[in-house]
Amino acid sequence: NAGVTQTPKFRVLKTGQSMTLLCAQDMNHEYMYWYRQDPGMGLRLIHYSVGEGTTAKGEVPDGYNVSRLKKQNFLLGLESAAPSQTSVYFCASRDGTDYGYTFGSGTRLTVV
Amino acid sequence: AQSVAQPEDQVNVAEGNPLTVKCTYSVSGNPYLFWYVQYPNRGLQFLLKYITGDNLVKGSYGFEAEFNKSQTSFHLKKPSALVSDSALYFCAVRVLTDSWGKLQFGAGTQVVVTP
Repeated sequence: NAGVTQTPKFRVLKTGQSMTLLCAQDMNHEYMYWYRQDPGMGLRLIHYSVGEGTTAKGEVPDGYNVSRLKKQNFLLGLESAAPSQTSVYFCASRDGTDYGYTFGSGTRLTVV
Repeated sequence: AQSVAQPEDQVNVAEGNPLTVKCTYSVSGNPYLFWYVQYPNRGLQFLLKYITGDNLVKGSYGFEAEFNKSQTSFHLKKPSALVSDSALYFCAVRVLTDSWGKLQFGAGTQVVVTP
């Protein structure tokens, strides 16, 4: 089924550990986004990409890095996880000719 | 800077009664407006959007929203709520001139529909 797939769905990290969240889309979308969702704060944009090899910072980029080496994949990295990064992370993609966004099912990350 | 406000953390309504979820926005320029719904432990599902044209937008599952430019509002409505409508609802805005397509979300409104 076409859509946005996020891997993993759940993860528990210890403070200081690193990990990478993978977002994969099979719709040939140019634009991809990483958001984090926290209670009472809605979704906040971390980083986004407007094409292969191009990324930019969003509203809350500190502590995260991203890469888009292939058009279909958008990776979100945490180099040294902190408890403040406990959140649900959502990836989204968008076709530049469409106004619609497709969201993944999310990754629930807990940092202890 | 653009922003979205959802003034109610939670809306309680009895099944069969009308449901309204409020959203106001602040942007520099013409807005694209969206409503999404999130069921427990699920991703965001698209409900409806306003891009241009008719101010009354009809969406999925019997929901509709009215774009009011003078009041900068985009309230979500459903004439008769169902228990299955209980979920977290998000309003989002994108500015027309933002070619990057970044969405700004409200904090969300929890809807609780009681039998």
